[in-house]
Amino acid sequence: GAGVSQSPSNKVTEKGKDVELRCDPISGHTALYWYRQSLGQGLEFLIYFQGNSAPDKSGLPSDRFSAERTGGSVSTLTIQRTQQEDSAVYLCASSWTSGGARNEQFFGPGTRLTVL
Amino acid sequence: SQKIEQNSEALNIQEGKTATLTCNYTNYSPAYLQWYRQDPGRGPVFLLLIRENEKEKRKERLKVTFDTTLKQSLFHITASQPADSATYLCALDKLNDKIIFGKGTRLHILP
Repeated sequence: GAGVSQSPSNKVTEKGKDVELRCDPISGHTALYWYRQSLGQGLEFLIYFQGNSAPDKSGLPSDRFSAERTGGSVSTLTIQRTQQEDSAVYLCASSWTSGGARNEQFFGPGTRLTVL
Repeated sequence: SQKIEQNSEALNIQEGKTATLTCNYTNYSPAYLQWYRQDPGRGPVFLLLIRENEKEKRKERLKVTFDTTLKQSLFHITASQPADSATYLCALDKLNDKIIFGKGTRLHILP
């Protein structure tokens, strides 16, 4: 089957505009993560969804960032009033979690966001 | 606070030699430890997973060790090839909590 997909692949926006980034996880995967990666840097955790549990939002850098996951599948990351420091690659990953066992994360190709 | 450390400097290894990457952690008791590879412009790709009760795991030219006493994992690539050049990330999984990634180590295999 298909892997994790993200859209758009590239997004250029003007400072102050809102953007929405989409992630389609692998079907059946209950866990979904959003990360941010600046050039040459490591992965910065943003938010984690696990099944029907309340999401772990501890990594969101400010209240301009929000995310939702509808029907336990597709997720949207929204950045309001974008700033130049929001420019980065936004990566989504999903994994299967069952009975306490954890499997690997499958990453999407990312969305490269550029804020002018 | 929880902390994961990987070699911050790039690692240069001669082709054919064994490359060894280190992942150290503090204030954490992971049930699993994972290793990923990331190439420029791409998302990380899973390589290996090792459980807390396993000392060693192998997959082809890859070997991972996990020492919960030292709080350290070593990742080895034997008979290294230029195609192994990439950034390698370790990730800690405590179950019932989010997975945490290290910042990664850049590996260059020199022909």
